[in-house]
Amino acid sequence: EVHLEQSGGVVVQPGGSLRLSCAASGFKFDDYAMHWVRQVPGKGLQWVSLITWDGTYTYYGDFVEGHFAISRDNSKNYLYLEMKSLRLEDTGIYYCARALGMGYLDYCGQGTLVTVS
Amino acid sequence: IQLTQSPSSLSASVGDRVTITCRASQDIDSHLAWYQRKLGKAPRLLIYAASVLQTGVPSRFSGSGSETDFTLTISSLQSEDVATYYCQQLSAFPLTFGGGTNVEIK
Repeated sequence: EVHLEQSGGVVVQPGGSLRLSCAASGFKFDDYAMHWVRQVPGKGLQWVSLITWDGTYTYYGDFVEGHFAISRDNSKNYLYLEMKSLRLEDTGIYYCARALGMGYLDYCGQGTLVTVS
Repeated sequence: IQLTQSPSSLSASVGDRVTITCRASQDIDSHLAWYQRKLGKAPRLLIYAASVLQTGVPSRFSGSGSETDFTLTISSLQSEDVATYYCQQLSAFPLTFGGGTNVEIK
C-alpha cells in the first residue's frame, strides 16, 4: 500500500528556516517524480515544486522565488523541502505527493502545518 | 497558465446533476486533472488527462473537454461529495491550480 508519512507541524518566526520531510513506502520510490503542494488560508491549493525521479530536474512555483529547495534521497525513500527566509504568507498546510504519468498527484501525505508567526 | 473555475461555490440537492467548469488561459491539450479536497483532508485525484477516471473514484464523477475548456460533472450529487473541487493544468511549468469550487448540499 502506498504511504507518504510527513513530519510534524512546526511554528517558525518570520525570516526563519525549516526542512519538511516525507517518508515514502509501499512503492518503488525512485520510479516516480514527487511534488510538494500547499493549502494557504484563503488562497486554495498552490503547487510548490516537483523533482524528477533521479533528482536531476527541479521545478518551482512562481511565488517560490528561490527561498524553497526540493530534494530527495532515493537510498532512504525520503523527499524534502528546505524552506528559508520564511514569510507570514508561507503559513499553510504542505503536502507531499507522488506524481502519476504526466505529474498528476495520485497519492498525498497527511500534510504538515507550517505556521510562520 | 491561468485557470479560471466557475462557479466559486454552489449549493445543490442530493441527486442533482452538478457541473463545474475550468477555463485555461491558453491551449493545454488534455493535460488537466480534477481533485476533491474535503475539510481537513489531503487532495484526492478524481480525473486525469481531462476525462480518465482515477481508480476507485465513483462513476458519478466524469470529466470532459480539451484545449481551453473543461468540465467536471457529478451526475447525482451525494452528501459525501461536499468538498472543494480544484482543476490543475500539467501542460507547462509552473503547474497551476484553479481557484476552487465549494460544493454544498442545499
